[in-house]
Amino acid sequence: QKEVEQDPGPLSVPEGAIVSLNCTYSNSAFQYFMWYRQYSRKGPELLMYTYSSGNKEDGRFTAQVDKSSKYISLFIRDSQPSDSATYLCAVARTGANNLFFGTGTRLTVIP
Amino acid sequence: NAGVTQTPKFQVLKTGQSMTLQCAQDMNHNSMYWYRQDPGMGLRLIYYSASEGTTDKGEVPNGYNVSRLNKREFSLRLESAAPSQTSVYFCASSPEGQVITGELFFGEGSRLTVL
Repeated sequence: QKEVEQDPGPLSVPEGAIVSLNCTYSNSAFQYFMWYRQYSRKGPELLMYTYSSGNKEDGRFTAQVDKSSKYISLFIRDSQPSDSATYLCAVARTGANNLFFGTGTRLTVIP
Repeated sequence: NAGVTQTPKFQVLKTGQSMTLQCAQDMNHNSMYWYRQDPGMGLRLIYYSASEGTTDKGEVPNGYNVSRLNKREFSLRLESAAPSQTSVYFCASSPEGQVITGELFFGEGSRLTVL
């Protein structure tokens, strides 16, 4: 079983839509949760980081962690064509030297 | 600031050939990583170096070797390339102890095809 599972999509939405991206993880020891954005032919870049449970908001982006169901989500409000990218979730344990990544969800926002 | 620089960006090899992927960072980070990214598999850690002078295996180290040349540079070597090593390789760096908060800075990737 993979440490973290992510629906690969692809997901296609009209501009202005609310987007929901999701991952599930297997080990309750994970305490750190990240979302990365990866544009085509580029390396991933950190979008949001959350520790333990709860919500975190940054502009149009909201990250949500539900540790009881081992479920992490990223919501994008008022989606823009520039949001078209692959979104990767990642998890980590306290003291770890590594992250475990989901496979990524490819998102296309249509103007 | 260039950040993390990888060379080459593209390479085609024949089975059995060897090559070295080079990575350099100019952010004075202690930790450096090599990942591979494959469709349906996500990013998987090959090797990492927590600090200068140390290297450790990740999830998929077989067929690879690494060298932490100095604080800036971390190279990945394929001694005898196999078609299963066709992938996009990413180098990344992180301030010491900060990878768990997502402070992982990636290069643009090296696309390797093994025929």
